[in-house]
Amino acid sequence: DAGVTQSPTHLIKTRGQHVTLRCSPISGHKSVSWYQQVLGQGPQFIFQYYEKEERGRGNFPDRFSARQFPNYSSELNVNALLLGDSALYLCASSLDGLAGGGTDTQYFGPGTRLTVL
Amino acid sequence: LAKTTQPISMDSYEGQEVNITCSHNNIATNDYITWYQQFPSQGPRFIIQGYKTKVTNEVASLFIPADRKSSTLSLPRVSLSDTAVYYCLVGSYSGSARQLTFGSGTQLTVLP
Repeated sequence: DAGVTQSPTHLIKTRGQHVTLRCSPISGHKSVSWYQQVLGQGPQFIFQYYEKEERGRGNFPDRFSARQFPNYSSELNVNALLLGDSALYLCASSLDGLAGGGTDTQYFGPGTRLTVL
Repeated sequence: LAKTTQPISMDSYEGQEVNITCSHNNIATNDYITWYQQFPSQGPRFIIQGYKTKVTNEVASLFIPADRKSSTLSLPRVSLSDTAVYYCLVGSYSGSARQLTFGSGTQLTVLP
């Protein structure tokens, strides 16, 4: 079975540009979460989407936005890129059984390495 | 919001048992605690998950006390290939908005 896939694997942009990162969840998973991981630090939560609705948002500026499509894939958009946005962007999917008292186990993709020059 | 704390690094020798503890307050009442392993430039890999008491799978054990304010990942008989960064992940809520908080990570180095 295919795991979480992300595209592109690597990306180089310049300051002020815009970027779109894409994520396809594990088949059957309805929730997608996005994380930013700066070199040497732990992943920081950006967004979680479930059934195309935003369920949660981390402490990131409005330059960061996301959406989830009917097939449960997701895009992360970042506007007006800054040098500090250089990071590994991770996508995770989950079945999200929280509503039924279950778990929200996150399964991660390989990430997209974004470099802002 | 949940706040998590882990030791920055640990060293061990091959064949030893390693215990890594994560302190986490404000974890959501119905949320689980999950541990991940991460190698450089890769996504975190799921190791184990638990709610309370003890959970064991083929690669690790997880100990969670009754107050759920901490958890301990136990890796039995580590090998060189276990050298990696280990993270705990907990969920919480800010109002009705979900938050997912990783620990700062523990760099485990296994020595021959």
